[in-house]
Amino acid sequence: GAVVSQHPSWVICKSGTSVKIECRSLDFQATTMFWYRQFPKQSLMLMATSNEGSKATYEQGVEKDKFLINHASLTLSTLTVTSAHPEDSSFYICSARDSPRVATEAFFGQGTRLTVV
Amino acid sequence: GENVEQHPSTLSVQEGDSAVIKCTYSDSASNYFPWYKQELGKGPQLIIDIRSNVGEKKDQRIAVTLNKTAKHFSLHITETQPEDSAVYFCAASRGTGFQKLVFGTGTRLLVSP
Repeated sequence: GAVVSQHPSWVICKSGTSVKIECRSLDFQATTMFWYRQFPKQSLMLMATSNEGSKATYEQGVEKDKFLINHASLTLSTLTVTSAHPEDSSFYICSARDSPRVATEAFFGQGTRLTVV
Repeated sequence: GENVEQHPSTLSVQEGDSAVIKCTYSDSASNYFPWYKQELGKGPQLIIDIRSNVGEKKDQRIAVTLNKTAKHFSLHITETQPEDSAVYFCAASRGTGFQKLVFGTGTRLLVSP
């Protein structure tokens, strides 16, 4: 099946700094990618839908200025957590689908565990 | 918007037993229902999915059933093995690849040897 690669798999940063997470579709073009956040023992909560060449669509309650999303190519979307604080510590996961027209399998990255100290 | 409920939150079975996880959804326009398995520290992996034009789908020890009228779908795992232990999520979405998946709350399955 298709592969979505996420990098880094884990990162520790100091409070107040910014962290960038990359999500790549390795063998297909993804016009749309999705970013999720998952707290321990909880479900995946959609943060935003990343659209290639246009602005991301954020879910209600997600600060777009804090979680910057860039989808500059058909194979790469990035999520930047700006001015990170300990409450931003979480597991961030991206996903992509390889067909825009049909609801097909969503391929997930391996996730990035962010710890803000 | 779509709301997906999932039960039970935890499920403990003995090796060889069957396990059933149930989900209900609210949006009658949803027509794609995948099930994901997530192991600790990893991203979700698709194990089976079903579309609204099908009532049941089976893949070896795993099966999914869908009742569109009642808006619920279930995951059935037979002959469970310890390696089946993980968190399982159901999800639902509408018809195109641009549409987001809405996830259930997850079920922690523990299969004891």
